[in-house]
Amino acid sequence: NAGVTQTPKFRVLKTGQSMTLLCAQDMNHEYMYWYRQDPGMGLRLIHYSVGEGTTAKGEVPDGYNVSRLKKQNFLLGLESAAPSQTSVYFCASSSGGLGTEAFFGQGTRLTVV
Amino acid sequence: AQSVAQPEDQVNVAEGNPLTVKCTYSVSGNPYLFWYVQYPNRGLQFLLKYITGDNLVKGSYGFEAEFNKSQTSFHLKKPSALVSDSALYFCAVRDIKQTGANNLFFGTGTRLTVIP
Repeated sequence: NAGVTQTPKFRVLKTGQSMTLLCAQDMNHEYMYWYRQDPGMGLRLIHYSVGEGTTAKGEVPDGYNVSRLKKQNFLLGLESAAPSQTSVYFCASSSGGLGTEAFFGQGTRLTVV
Repeated sequence: AQSVAQPEDQVNVAEGNPLTVKCTYSVSGNPYLFWYVQYPNRGLQFLLKYITGDNLVKGSYGFEAEFNKSQTSFHLKKPSALVSDSALYFCAVRDIKQTGANNLFFGTGTRLTVIP
């Protein structure tokens, strides 16, 4: 029962570097989400996907790109990292029904120096 | 637009006492409301949800929440707090009348500390 798995768990980047965060879920969920968590601001939605091959912008999409080539995977990319992107990133998935809860990964702590 | 407010950043309660973590919401339609808990260095775990029906919802680990439509509130409660309940609690809402209605919008979180 892996649920939602995020890779990597920790990463330090230099300003301007790029990286990709991987999220994998084994629950056959249609919907997947990327959130960032910052102190005092709760979780904010970056991008989401309602199914394989689809992506959409959330509240704070600038500086990020995503792809959902396979139903079980949702990738979050930072093309040119900035210190403002230092955060904890969470991936989540849900089956798609409005009344269904989301399942979260354990998070990726990213520091941009 | 939908929003969720958690007016208390921090709640302290003595072990064995009842606890309440407050949440108010704003939506244009009927809300779907959720509570999640986050333990240190972990992801969020689902506690309970309100979709429709009985205003008192029971969830995991002895928690419950009361939906109050007139006060637009969804407060989390537990009759007797445990030290192990100490964590960060998030309220979240789905607004079924909004585009992207499947998205969850979170409050800023309330840190609960249960004092032995």
